Amino acid sequence: QVQLVQSGAEVKKPGASVKVSCKASGYTFTGQYIHWVRQAPGQGLQWMGRINPNTGGTNYAQNFQGRVTLTRDTSISTAYLDLISLRSDDTAVYFCARGATSYINYWGQGTLVTVSS
Amino acid sequence: DIQMTQSPSSLSASVGDRITITCQASQDISNYLNWYQHKPGKAPKLLIYDASNLETGVPSRFSGSGSGTDFTFTINSLQPEDTATYYCQQYDNLLLTFGGGTKVEIK
Repeated sequence: QVQLVQSGAEVKKPGASVKVSCKASGYTFTGQYIHWVRQAPGQGLQWMGRINPNTGGTNYAQNFQGRVTLTRDTSISTAYLDLISLRSDDTAVYFCARGATSYINYWGQGTLVTVSS
Repeated sequence: DIQMTQSPSSLSASVGDRITITCQASQDISNYLNWYQHKPGKAPKLLIYDASNLETGVPSRFSGSGSGTDFTFTINSLQPEDTATYYCQQYDNLLLTFGGGTKVEIK
């Protein structure tokens, strides 16, 4: 069955960076996009960007341009989210998810990233 | 970027009621509009894609309609397990945007 298993919770200081991983199994990793979406406490869902695991091509939401980098390692079916210059308002649950260009049809369990001094 | 205005932000209804949520795009997005259900502590779930297509395995009491800028999501005969927050999501020019969400509770 399809699984997206994310790395564990992180606690970071302001100004630091974080890398979240997302290991896919149960389907052809290069066959669907990997999206990243976050949810801050008490807030709604916010799309951050997507990567095409086949080509490595990426698209980023304007709010995150310059601070987020999406990469993948096809040899281990894993996608990564790198977020730099962390601020307290980056505290959120970060989801990786699988889908098409225009929608998301399967989500990981989420990774809590806490930014606190 | 396209903005999505979702309403209401919350609603409370009785089991068996029909409820409707609307989503308005700031510009024409054709039928590139999807609906998700999100329960606390769980991963979101795709319910409707391309405005009106029911995702496999989703109960038929869920439905969606609309095109252009105005979209509607309906739950016919609300069930206790439908307690959740529902989000619309649009796709345009390679980017995705979510609406603000509608929290649905049972009276």
